[in-house]
Amino acid sequence: DSGVTQTPKHLITATGQRVTLRCSPRSGDLSVYWYQQSLDQGLQFLIQYYNGEERAKGNILERFSAQQFPDLHSELNLSSLELGDSALYFCASTRDTSTDTQYFGPGTRLTVL
Amino acid sequence: GDSVTQMEGPVTLSEEAFLTINCTYTATGYPSLFWYVQYPGEGLQLLLKATKADDKGSNKGFEATYRKETTSFHLEKGSVQVSDSAVYFCALRRNTGNQFYFGTGTSLTVIP
Repeated sequence: DSGVTQTPKHLITATGQRVTLRCSPRSGDLSVYWYQQSLDQGLQFLIQYYNGEERAKGNILERFSAQQFPDLHSELNLSSLELGDSALYFCASTRDTSTDTQYFGPGTRLTVL
Repeated sequence: GDSVTQMEGPVTLSEEAFLTINCTYTATGYPSLFWYVQYPGEGLQLLLKATKADDKGSNKGFEATYRKETTSFHLEKGSVQVSDSAVYFCALRRNTGNQFYFGTGTSLTVIP
């Protein structure tokens, strides 16, 4: 158990809908990363937050957004969903921005029908 | 930009066989290098890491050496077990900022 929790575990929704994925980092970790894992593209970095502020942006679509709250949990919002958004979404956390070991949550499997 | 390329899978080996999974990287400066493992139905777990050239990371019988001259970080294990069946990801962390880049993963199946 990495100490990183993600909810829900599974999510099934329809095209055009909006969903919110939630992540709670390990106790004491200030930085949260979001990744998308799809069969054809491997693990893609989406976005990083540190202590409530956005720190780095990867291949995140404009339809996707994220935030980190004062209690350090983070939410990833996916809107106008398309079939191609079906994937596993992972959250990872680190103590700060200089720590190089990430701890991953179990992931949320999103299926868009 | 920075990137990681790892050998395509899937890889199927018999128990006690020797394992090599190739990984090469492109990065400016001196990134840290990692191998993560993902068991079925779980998130990624750090397997080993190396932070500078010629460092060897090792864990659970796996090892990888940071080779600056060949920009490689190949994963090896002398004798694989059925329990090693998983997907293995090579990754790098830039030395500026804290962004990570992952390879596409290599699926390993070990048969008894």
